[in-house]
Amino acid sequence: DTGVSQDPRHKITKRGQNVTFRCDPISEHNRLYWYRQTLGQGPEFLTYFQNEAQLEKSRLLSDRFSAERPKGSFSTLEIQRTEQGDSAMYLCASSFSGRATDTQYFGPGTRLTVL
Amino acid sequence: KNEVEQSPQNLTAQEGEFITINCSYSVGISALHWLQQHPGGGIVSLFMLSSGKKKHGRLIATINIQEKHSSLHITASHPRDSAVYICAVRVSGGSNYKLTFGKGTLLTVNP
Repeated sequence: DTGVSQDPRHKITKRGQNVTFRCDPISEHNRLYWYRQTLGQGPEFLTYFQNEAQLEKSRLLSDRFSAERPKGSFSTLEIQRTEQGDSAMYLCASSFSGRATDTQYFGPGTRLTVL
Repeated sequence: KNEVEQSPQNLTAQEGEFITINCSYSVGISALHWLQQHPGGGIVSLFMLSSGKKKHGRLIATINIQEKHSSLHITASHPRDSAVYICAVRVSGGSNYKLTFGKGTLLTVNP
């Protein structure tokens, strides 16, 4: 068990470009979450998957954002036509619904800078 | 007003001091989490509480459901405890899987 991994760790892009981030959850975990954290703030919920089904999307997730978890394992988060306001740390977490505690385990995050 | 409020926002202590970080919330919850975030972003879950008190090493977390308040205590603080400590709640009813976070408390422990 290597924990939750995210790739890339850092991404610098120019405004208007598309970016895609990947999250690999802990292998037995069926739940996967994406959060966004801006400087000086706590993380904010973006979206949630149970297996391959995307069950909830925050209103923060505009039409430029899309997330997938095609086989119920890894997930991708794509941002199209990036804007400077998208600059943030994007955090992925996973958990296993079969346990009573359902603790979320976080990845190291992908820091996005939009120039 | 945020659903989860933490105090203080910043805390500086000398090594060995007893630390208390507070969290108040305004919604019904099924669980409360204390998380630690080091520079660079990685978040580690310290505790999940739904009642009472938990202890792990030098860390103690308490929760008072009636008062909607939780505290994280660090005994015999050490410079390696320097990090951002974040309180997060799982709101009861509806979407009870996602977490709602406070803004965090930046703790600096000086040697």
